Amino acid sequence: NAGVTQTPKFQVLKTGQSMTLQCAQDMNHNSMYWYRQDPGMGLRLIYYSASEGTTDKGEVPNGYNVSRLNKREFSLRLESAAPSQTSVYFCASRGSDTQYFGPGTRLTVL
Amino acid sequence: EDKVVQSPLSLVVHEGDTVTLNCSYEVTNFRSLLWYKQEKKAPTFLFMLTSSGIEKKSGRLSSILDKKELFSILNITATQTGDSAVYLCAVPHSGTSGTYKYIFGTGTRLKVLA
Repeated sequence: NAGVTQTPKFQVLKTGQSMTLQCAQDMNHNSMYWYRQDPGMGLRLIYYSASEGTTDKGEVPNGYNVSRLNKREFSLRLESAAPSQTSVYFCASRGSDTQYFGPGTRLTVL
Repeated sequence: EDKVVQSPLSLVVHEGDTVTLNCSYEVTNFRSLLWYKQEKKAPTFLFMLTSSGIEKKSGRLSSILDKKELFSILNITATQTGDSAVYLCAVPHSGTSGTYKYIFGTGTRLKVLA
């Protein structure tokens, strides 16, 4: 039981490049979430998904898109990366009112 | 506007001290409050509180909720250097699509000195 997994662990992009962060969970949870964490800002919700095929915007969705490919996988895409998107990104899934977090992706945009 | 506020923002103590971390909230249709510990990686779950006045305890950590005054406290007794971390408080809030979004506080950074 791996829980929530994320790839990659680290990534460096140049401004304007695109990339997709991958997330998968094996706990059969319906709800999944993407957060970013910046110093002094806490965890801020980017997008979330209540179930396969549904996605909703969170607090800071601009510059991101998501895909809930199936029940297990929820990916986050940056179409044209900007330095303001330098952050640590966490994926989470929800079960029994508790969120379980992946290990995070540290993204730097130059 | 729904919000979760934690205090203090940071705290430095010596090993053996007892600390109390605070989390106050204003969230419509309150359901539960969660505490997480975050070291240099992902947050890990500590407690979930749903009822007022019932203490949850795990080793040297304990937490209690006051639904009348809208706050929770997390106590750590006999602190150790391994308790150094950021402690996060979160409250689920009804989102669209029938699931919950979680509102996080900015966290309390605890440093325990040997």
